Amino acid sequence: NAGVTQTPKFRILKIGQSMTLQCAQDMNHNYMYWYRQDPGMGLKLIYYSVGAGITDKGEVPNGYNVSRSTTEDFPLRLELAAPSQTSVYFCASSPNSEPQHFGDGTRLSIL
Amino acid sequence: QKEVEQNSGPLSVPEGAIASLNCTYSDRGSQSFFWYRQYSGKSPELIMFIYSNGDKEDGRFTAQLNKASQYVSLLIRDSQPSDSATYLCAVSGGGADGLTFGKGTHLIIQP
Repeated sequence: NAGVTQTPKFRILKIGQSMTLQCAQDMNHNYMYWYRQDPGMGLKLIYYSVGAGITDKGEVPNGYNVSRSTTEDFPLRLELAAPSQTSVYFCASSPNSEPQHFGDGTRLSIL
Repeated sequence: QKEVEQNSGPLSVPEGAIASLNCTYSDRGSQSFFWYRQYSGKSPELIMFIYSNGDKEDGRFTAQLNKASQYVSLLIRDSQPSDSATYLCAVSGGGADGLTFGKGTHLIIQP
């Protein structure tokens, strides 16, 4: 049982490039979340989904987009990458909104 | 704006002693409370959750909740060097819109 799988683990982007962070879970959880964690800070919610076809904004959604076409997958899209998006990104899932199980994270640097 | 406050530390505790970590939250409507442990460079790992006023014990860990004071704490008995990590307090309003995290307390257990 893999749990929550995030890819890639590390990535360096140039300013203005775009990329998709992948997140997949094999626990048949309805709820999925994307957080970002800046150094020395707690996690901040970017987007969340309560099921396939349903997504909603969190606290810091600007510069990001998501989709949820299946229960298993919840990709996060960065368009026009900016240095302020340098962070560690965590995907999480839950069967009933809480508690949440986290993936290993994606470390993203924008240069 | 929901806020969760933690002392960032570092909190230094001798091995074998009790470590006491504290957290306050701003939203009186918060329903659920979580403690996550995060080792450097790793993802958050759920260690305790509590929903009702009072104490909840699990092995060496005890979570305490006082909703009237909007205060949550985590006690770690017989502290071990492996307990050295950042401890994140998180709260939920009970809905699907994710968790609000504090910045975390860095705990150091001195051998």
